[in-house]
Amino acid sequence: EDKVVQSPLSLVVHEGDTVTLNCSYEVTNFRSLLWYKQEKKAPTFLFMLTSSGIEKKSGRLSSILDKKELFSILNITATQTGDSAIYLCAVDRLEETSGSRLTFGEGTQLTVNP
Amino acid sequence: NAGVTQTPKFRVLKTGQSMTLLCAQDMNHEYMYWYRQDPGMGLRLIHYSVGEGTTAKGEVPDGYNVSRLKKQNFLLGLESAAPSQTSVYFCASSRGTSGFPNEQFFGPGTRLTVL
Repeated sequence: EDKVVQSPLSLVVHEGDTVTLNCSYEVTNFRSLLWYKQEKKAPTFLFMLTSSGIEKKSGRLSSILDKKELFSILNITATQTGDSAIYLCAVDRLEETSGSRLTFGEGTQLTVNP
Repeated sequence: NAGVTQTPKFRVLKTGQSMTLLCAQDMNHEYMYWYRQDPGMGLRLIHYSVGEGTTAKGEVPDGYNVSRLKKQNFLLGLESAAPSQTSVYFCASSRGTSGFPNEQFFGPGTRLTVL
């Protein structure tokens, strides 16, 4: 059975701190790993990683994938209160007969206090 | 370009009632998905569709049915609602073309309460 596990499940930090969120997975027919940010409503896309060891960056956020050890990390530097959200990790796997689908982890609830 | 839209935004049902949630996308995406989100459980896939007229079961399909009669619409039906179906429901869509990574775009969600 496919599994995506995120840690920690919740995290409270102060503005300016740096945080690291973890995602490990066991998935057959892996295609890519995706990170989403969910504030009050729909998840919004952050990163997609397909290759090992290549860092993706967007401002203060960065992510890297290790396909050998089957995990990814999402780093947020100089956190701001606007970073408070649930961060979701999902793995895209390809199915022969019914296309590809995402398996999500439980999410990490990040709270950034002023 | 509205992206992915869902109706209704909120609904309260009594046990045993039926309802249909509508998802529409204007991005000409092939794949569409229905998820439910419960506290501490992330997003769980209910059903999905890889093209008009096709559907497939996800992780938690029991108690739900779906239809994809038009490419842009994906309907989720509850025939006889139960309190365990109280949840937030998200629809998503993606290009789904083989060879492309499968980034999914999400609708705003429907909050359903079953009493």
